[in-house]
Order: sequence, then structure tokens, then C-alpha cells
Amino acid sequence: GNSVTQMEGPVTLSEEAFLTINCTYTATGYPSLFWYVQYPGEGLQLLLKATKADDKGSNKGFEATYRKETTSFHLEKGSVQVSDSAVYFCASPSGGYNKLIFGAGTRLAVHP
Amino acid sequence: DVKVTQSSRYLVKRTGEKVFLECVQDMDHENMFWYRQDPGLGLRLIYFSYDVKMKEKGDIPEGYSVSREKKERFSLILESASTNQTSMYLCASSRPLAGAGETQYFGPGTRLLVL
Repeated sequence: GNSVTQMEGPVTLSEEAFLTINCTYTATGYPSLFWYVQYPGEGLQLLLKATKADDKGSNKGFEATYRKETTSFHLEKGSVQVSDSAVYFCASPSGGYNKLIFGAGTRLAVHP
Repeated sequence: DVKVTQSSRYLVKRTGEKVFLECVQDMDHENMFWYRQDPGLGLRLIYFSYDVKMKEKGDIPEGYSVSREKKERFSLILESASTNQTSMYLCASSRPLAGAGETQYFGPGTRLLVL
């Protein structure tokens, strides 16, 4: 079945630093890929997604490009803010019924 | 806005108790999911439902059961709580899969402690 692997955290950055969180996947074909974010004390919410190879998803200054050559969907932001402190999950569909398989999550802490 | 609510934010139960976690969504979604979230393991699917009274096991169904008597409500049941079920439980809902993948909408989670 499909699987998703993302870099371990925590990632600690100063405000305005550049962020990359790595995500790679294994799958049959080219499934959609998602980044979800979980702010402290909340459930997950969709941050961005890409539905086919070479697509770029973007939202709130975050971007991720679906690269089939490297089976990757790395999350990037040029200048992080304290309010971006959260746990970030990479995800991919697995097994029908809109089920998702999630990576282990990467905790980001941004300091002023 | 889609809203998914869970009956409790925090619960403390004793080993052997029967525990009910309730989830309600207000967007008429067909699919509903129960996950548990543990540090370093991400989210793992316990059970899901694609219609009223229909349910399927996820990756870690042992020790759990579910009930979906109405479209908007999906309950997770721990028949006899054990300490290894101490975790964060997240409910989600979505429309049926259509093409490229539908967004799942999550509740705020229930943090369960079993003593």
C-alpha cells in the first residue's frame, strides 16, 4: 500500500527564517498529496494539496511541489512567523473511501 | 464552514470502563473516520464509515468498536478501556472520494487518559 515518510522534528527556527519540511511517498501511480497542519489545542486542517504530478499547492505563504521524479512533496515557506508554530503532517490517499495515510508529523517551533 | 464537534476535550477513565466518544458533523458528509494520534506515530485509522450503519476496520481496530445510526453522528466505543488506549482521538468527515481526493475535516480531538 501507499506510505508517507516525513522528516522528524522538532524543527526550531527564528522568525523570518526559511522553512523546509521533507516528505516522500511510495505509491502505485500518482496519488494526490496533502499537507495538513495542527495548531496547538486544535484538530488538523488542510493546509494545501496537489492533485497530480508537477502541481504546486500553496496557501498562507506555504508551498509544496509534487515531484514524481523524486517522489517528494516538500513543504516550504520563505519567512516563517511565530504563528506558524504547529505540527505539520504530510498525507496521501490509501485504499479507497477517501482514506488517508499520514506521516508521523513534524513539530515546528518559531521563536521571535 | 464545516464543523466537526467531539463530545469531550478531555476524559479520564479507569481500566475496564466502557468509554463512548461521540462525533457530530454538520455538512451532510457520507464518510466519517476515527483516528488516534500518538507522538512519533502520526495518525492511525481505527475505523471509518461510508454510510449510515456501514463501517469498516482501519489499521488498528483491536479493542474498539463504532456505531453510526445517523448520518451526522459517528461514535467510537472502547468496550473495556486499557492503559494502552491512552491517546488523543480525532474524528474527521469528508465527502465520498471523487477523482483526486477530498479534504477531510477534523474535530478538535479528545484527549483520553486511562488510569
